[in-house]
Amino acid sequence: GNSVTQMEGPVTLSEEAFLTINCTYTATGYPSLFWYVQYPGEGLQLLLKATKADDKGSNKGFEATYRKETTSFHLEKGSVQVSDSAVYFCALSDQGSSNTGKLIFGQGTTLQVKP
Amino acid sequence: DAGITQSPRYKITETGRQVTLMCHQTWSHSYMFWYRQDLGHGLRLIYYSAAADITDKGEVPDGYVVSRSKTENFPLTLESATRSQTSVYFCASSVGGSNQPQHFGDGTRLSIL
Repeated sequence: GNSVTQMEGPVTLSEEAFLTINCTYTATGYPSLFWYVQYPGEGLQLLLKATKADDKGSNKGFEATYRKETTSFHLEKGSVQVSDSAVYFCALSDQGSSNTGKLIFGQGTTLQVKP
Repeated sequence: DAGITQSPRYKITETGRQVTLMCHQTWSHSYMFWYRQDLGHGLRLIYYSAAADITDKGEVPDGYVVSRSKTENFPLTLESATRSQTSVYFCASSVGGSNQPQHFGDGTRLSIL
């Protein structure tokens, strides 16, 4: 079945460091891919998405490229800030016949940025 | 304000009791979803609904019941709570379609003693 695997955390970085959070997926067909962010005590918010191969999603300095050949959607940011401290989830949406938009999530990666 | 709200935010109950978690959205989204969040598992889908009176099971439906008599509401009921159902529960909604994002509530933290 479909699945998403994220790198295990926590990831601890100093402010202005470069961030990469790895995400790989297994899916039949051509899923849409998402990154969601969860700040403490809050629900998940969409960070970015990509709906087809080679698409690059970007938002708030974060970006991720849909790589079909490596089945990956790694999240990157050039210079992290303390305010980026959160849990990041990679997810895929199966393009099955029902087209419901059901999401399959990775286990989440906690990012802590120190000043 | 438009959005998706969950209630209560926190709930403590005992094993064997019935508990209902509420979810209300103001966007008139067709689709609504219930997830549970547990350490090491990310979010797992419990139930979802494509429209009023249409519901279907997700990955982990056992021990849960849902209903959707109105488009805007999607309550989740634990008919006889067990300790393994201690978790954080999130409701979400979307317009539907595999390339559309879901919009999440702030969650309900449920503890079953």
